[in-house]
Order: sequence, then C-alpha cells, then structure tokens
Amino acid sequence: NAGVMQNPRHLVRRRGQEARLRCSPMKGHSHVYWYRQLPEEGLKFMVYLQKENIIDESGMPKERFSAEFPKEGPSILRIQQVVRGDSAAYFCASSPGKNQLYEQYFGPGTRLTVT
Amino acid sequence: GENVEQHPSTLSVQEGDSAVIKCTYSDSASNYFPWYKQELGKRPQLIIDIRSNVGEKKDQRIAVTLNKTAKHFSLHITETQPEDSAVYFCAATSGTYKYIFGTGTRLKVLA
Repeated sequence: NAGVMQNPRHLVRRRGQEARLRCSPMKGHSHVYWYRQLPEEGLKFMVYLQKENIIDESGMPKERFSAEFPKEGPSILRIQQVVRGDSAAYFCASSPGKNQLYEQYFGPGTRLTVT
Repeated sequence: GENVEQHPSTLSVQEGDSAVIKCTYSDSASNYFPWYKQELGKRPQLIIDIRSNVGEKKDQRIAVTLNKTAKHFSLHITETQPEDSAVYFCAATSGTYKYIFGTGTRLKVLA
C-alpha cells in the first residue's frame, strides 16, 4: 500500500510565476489536508478537502492560493504570482475518513523555492 | 484562537537518559493528540497518539501522558539513542480535524 505521494519534491519558481503542487492520498483515503512549514518552524494548517469539496480553508491566504481535490486525480495546491515569502515546504496529509478521521499520514513534501 | 505551546524548543540529553517534551493546548474541545517525529528533510512521522478518554499510553520506549484538566500532554522517551535525534512536534485537534501543531522540539542525543 503506497503512502501519500507528492510531486514534485522540489520546485523552483521565479517571482510572479505559478506553482502547482500535487498530492495523491493513500489508497482508500478520501480526506486531504495541506500544511505549510517555514524553515525552522512548525506546520501550519492551510486547507482540508474531501473529494470535490473544500471543508475548511481557514488557514489559506485569501489571495493567490487555491486548492482542489477533484473526483478523479490528485489534490492540487495552486499558488499564483509567487513571492519570496511563499518559499517553504508544503506537506499534504490524508486520512481514511469515517471512524479513522483523526490519524493523518503525511507525504514527503514539496520544497518550493522562489527566486 | 486555538493554540498549542511546546517546550523546550531544544533539548540535549546523553545517550541512555530520558527526554521529556511538554505541550499545552488552549481548545478544551480538543480530543486527539498525536506526536510526530521529523528528521531533517523528511516527512513528519506519527510515533504515538492519545485520545482524550485515556490518561497514558505506552509503546516500548515512548509514552505519552494527558492531563485534560490542566490541558497539557507530554512525550516521554526513555533510554534515548542517537537515532532518536530529530525534531518532535505535538499537535491537538478537535472535531474540525484540523491539527494545530506546536512549534517543535529539536532533540539531540549525545553519544
């Protein structure tokens, strides 16, 4: 059973470009969470999605950031017009839902560098 | 808002000694408390968790205790080994399933 997969693992973007980060949850998991980790800091919740629904996006900046989890395919975190402050590691996690909502399993992360 | 405080931020112990990391949460509705270990450049890995209906849980050299009245929980690692060196994060969550993470503790086990 493959774990949570994220790609790319490293992404370099110039200021003003768009960044697209992908997350494939564990098989059988229907809940996806995105977190951001700045260097030397803890993880900060960004958004919680179920298939085709955004459940909680309270941690995501209102501008330039968007997330989706379509019926088919991976969850996507999209950052438009990136700025240097967006440089961070972005982790996604998934959970099974139903009676096992609490346990979240993390992917390897995407390290975004904005130059 | 919801907040989780974690102490200490760094901790150095001699190999074989015990390490204790403490967290305090603010949301009294929190009912699930996982601990993650993160090695440099790697993903956070769940090492132990505890639910609010339990006061203590043990898994070999790792234990977690929870005091709901005081709203704090602790990670205990006994007989530490060099491979325990990593950053450890506590987290708390309530019915929203949104993890609120502590700021992390960098543990160094000195051989």
